[in-house]
Amino acid sequence: QSALTQPASVSGSPGQSITISCTGTSSDVGGYNYVSWYQQHPGKAPKLMIYDVSNRPSGVSNRFSGSKSGNTASLTISGLQAEDEADYYCSSYTSSSTLAVFGGGTKLTVL
Amino acid sequence: QVQLQESGPGLVKPSETLSLTCAVSGYSISSGYYWGWIRQPPGKGLEWIGSIYHSGSTYYNPSLKSRVTISVDTSKNQFSLKLSSVTAADTAVYYCARAQGGYLFDYWGQGTLVTVSS
Repeated sequence: QSALTQPASVSGSPGQSITISCTGTSSDVGGYNYVSWYQQHPGKAPKLMIYDVSNRPSGVSNRFSGSKSGNTASLTISGLQAEDEADYYCSSYTSSSTLAVFGGGTKLTVL
Repeated sequence: QVQLQESGPGLVKPSETLSLTCAVSGYSISSGYYWGWIRQPPGKGLEWIGSIYHSGSTYYNPSLKSRVTISVDTSKNQFSLKLSSVTAADTAVYYCARAQGGYLFDYWGQGTLVTVSS
């Protein structure tokens, strides 16, 4: 079971938009609309931000959006704010005799 | 509001078995859903360990499958993790979470650090 591939880091200035990619295979990201994204601040538990590719849980800002094309999913954060600085992880359902696989994580720095 | 709380020893000796429990409040485990364990080594990313359905069906990460057992106790509204033959590589923060469909983690515990050391 291989982890999904994410860039190690991304950065942006306040007010700008950034996109984090998450690349998998046809057995996970590409095969199902079951990609989710999590935000994790230092020392805290992860928080669900996006589920089923593009849906936001109640209470999550509409500045966060998700999409997918082929085997790659993306998380876009618009109108960057200082509080968005955190680690972001993608995850997907996988059919390879297991249920879940995570990406390696992306550190977002707000300049 | 669903709340989860991990508990267990913070220090385990190499070759021994790591045992953690996750107490759930605000929702009855027997009502449904999967429940899962995820870990995070210091400074590293998240790793899915496994998920269990309320009825007891389990799914495990293939890389850990030979050493992992996840069980559920509906009478106590809790589920547990056992990881055998631990090494220093198993040192991590261990999280429990509600796992919709086994793969979508919508409620998380605060996490508990388990260190493997003699």
